[in-house]
Amino acid sequence: GAVVSQHPSRVICKSGTSVKIECRSLDFQATTMFWYRQFPKQSLMLMATSNEGSKATYEQGVEKDKFLINHASLTLSTLTVTSAHPEDSSFYICSASRGTSGGQETQYFGPGTRLLVL
Amino acid sequence: GESVGLHLPTLSVQEGDNSIINCAYSNSASDYFIWYKQESGKGPQFIIDIRSNMDKRQGQRVTVLLNKTVKHLSLQIAATQPGDSAVYFCAENIGTGGGADGLTFGKGTHLIIQP
Repeated sequence: GAVVSQHPSRVICKSGTSVKIECRSLDFQATTMFWYRQFPKQSLMLMATSNEGSKATYEQGVEKDKFLINHASLTLSTLTVTSAHPEDSSFYICSASRGTSGGQETQYFGPGTRLLVL
Repeated sequence: GESVGLHLPTLSVQEGDNSIINCAYSNSASDYFIWYKQESGKGPQFIIDIRSNMDKRQGQRVTVLLNKTVKHLSLQIAATQPGDSAVYFCAENIGTGGGADGLTFGKGTHLIIQP
């Protein structure tokens, strides 16, 4: 149980275009989903927290107008990188939580999406 | 801001030996800690967690130790196998009593299992 999927697994796009990444919880309802970014040989950095039916909360330094997050249902959250540039190339990983235990909640991670902006 | 860090970026052990991966955290308010394993090109995989009201927790071949006095966390892997080769991250969370919170990850330790 607790499987999280992401689509696509890999995407290459031209500079200036927008890319949408989907995160789905396959066998549980996720009250909260999180989006992380990971540059090569670095750790995961939290970008934003997404709660179903409400606006996402962004971490300091993350532009909300550039990284649009939609959490339309309890099993789906999307991250859209708008007007992507080469510096946005990274590994984007989502996680999902049932959100029933406050902050002490296991987060289940998706397999990640590799974005390359040319 | 405060962060979680690791003492060793790379750890090489012989197959069959035990390994210990260390992590120091700086936020005394953190009360939930998790170890994740990440293989190349994949998302983090949950290994084991521990809450601040405990100092030790055991799983299958893994043990997590928490020393709140010195803000130190460790992951012990017994009888390491080739499949244990990966990057291991510790992560912390501050329980707010409300909804789930994002995690703060440490820098990661690359565990290499020598045949």
